[in-house]
Amino acid sequence: EVQLVESGGGLVQPGGSLRLSCVGSGFSFSSSTMLWVRQAPGKGLEYVSYISSNSGTIYYADSVKGRFTISRDNANSSLYLQMHSLRAEDTAVYFCARGAETWGQGTMVTVSS
Amino acid sequence: DIVMTQTPLSSPVTLGQPASLSCRSSQSLLHSDGNTYLSWLQQRPGQPPRLLIYRISNRFSGVPDRFSGSGAGTDFTLKISRVEAEDVGVYYCVQATHFPRTFGQGTKVEI
Repeated sequence: EVQLVESGGGLVQPGGSLRLSCVGSGFSFSSSTMLWVRQAPGKGLEYVSYISSNSGTIYYADSVKGRFTISRDNANSSLYLQMHSLRAEDTAVYFCARGAETWGQGTMVTVSS
Repeated sequence: DIVMTQTPLSSPVTLGQPASLSCRSSQSLLHSDGNTYLSWLQQRPGQPPRLLIYRISNRFSGVPDRFSGSGAGTDFTLKISRVEAEDVGVYYCVQATHFPRTFGQGTKVEI
């Protein structure tokens, strides 16, 4: 079964940091481009970050550039999102995705004092 | 970035009746490789998004044949031939022809 499982979300104060993880199984993780997409409460989908299969191409949305870092460990089929200087507007469910075809269940990040 | 505009934002539907959702892109989504990377996602309440249609009109594995996609260039349509209760949710179009990929704002389908 093709599966993505995120973890690492939680409640963090403004200015704090959090590291999200995503483990893939049932497909060739090492040859897949991977994404982080977020959804603020009651809002639509926002593309956050992208990493190519060999980490050679990385993209960040302007809203997170300079604060978030995407990385991957192909040996362990894992994707990461290191988030620093978190703001209230970063509050959202964060999904990892393999293109458009496979999505995790999401992990909730709440930035609040 | 490519802007994806979906209409309507909300679509009241009747069970058993058809529904049609539209998506327009700010530039042609025809890639230089000849493909058009326009997909449709369904997000049921409380669930992650799920791929329904890829490359305009190809149904993903397990997607019922009441869902169909069409279009070309900048104008695309998702049709549900006969709406069922389980189809309630938000539908997003997403393009991957141009980097970065971008999402439409979603159309909410409600009974």
